[in-house]
Amino acid sequence: DTAVSQTPKYLVTQMGNDKSIKCEQNLGHDTMYWYKQDSKKFLKIMFSYNNKELIINETVPNRFSPKSPDKAHLNLHINSLELGDSAVYFCASSQRGGSSYEQYFGPGTRLTVT
Amino acid sequence: GENVEQHPSTLSVQEGDSAVIKCTYSDSASNYFPWYKQELGKGPQLIIDIRSNVGEKKDQRIAVTLNKTAKHFSLHITETQPEDSAVYFCAIRLGNQGGKLIFGQGTELSVKP
Repeated sequence: DTAVSQTPKYLVTQMGNDKSIKCEQNLGHDTMYWYKQDSKKFLKIMFSYNNKELIINETVPNRFSPKSPDKAHLNLHINSLELGDSAVYFCASSQRGGSSYEQYFGPGTRLTVT
Repeated sequence: GENVEQHPSTLSVQEGDSAVIKCTYSDSASNYFPWYKQELGKGPQLIIDIRSNVGEKKDQRIAVTLNKTAKHFSLHITETQPEDSAVYFCAIRLGNQGGKLIFGQGTELSVKP
């Protein structure tokens, strides 16, 4: 069973388009995250939701809009895609207030904007 | 601001040798220090972590040491094997910031058979 899954795994699109990435976790966690990994492999947090409430909102262009319909799902919608948005996007989840701070990562979505 | 410096950026060792990766950080309120391993085409996976009230933790061939006063922590891998080849990331969890992790720049470890 996949703990944190993302769809699609690969996404190739043109500048100006709008696209969405979906994430689901079956770990029963209450907190989910979106990270961006650039071409130099630097990992940076973008957003975090706890029980469907936005708790971390880093300095990210407002073309990026996360949505959490329930605790097990966190989607990322990107409007007006730009070349610089090309990266690997990782979803992660954790249990807030639990004995472990571990964040479990999904397999990533490689976004290529042409 | 919140910052984590990780060194070296690349590390090549012979199978059976030890590998050490070091990280320094600036946020004194950090309370949790995980290490993640990322294999090609996969997401990062936790391999070991340490909390601020512990100085050292070991799990088979891997160990982590933490010096809170000096604000640095290190990953030690002994008896390296080719399957240890991957990118390793250190991270810090900022205190009272919703579980926010700040990652180091990563170390690409290559273990030559």
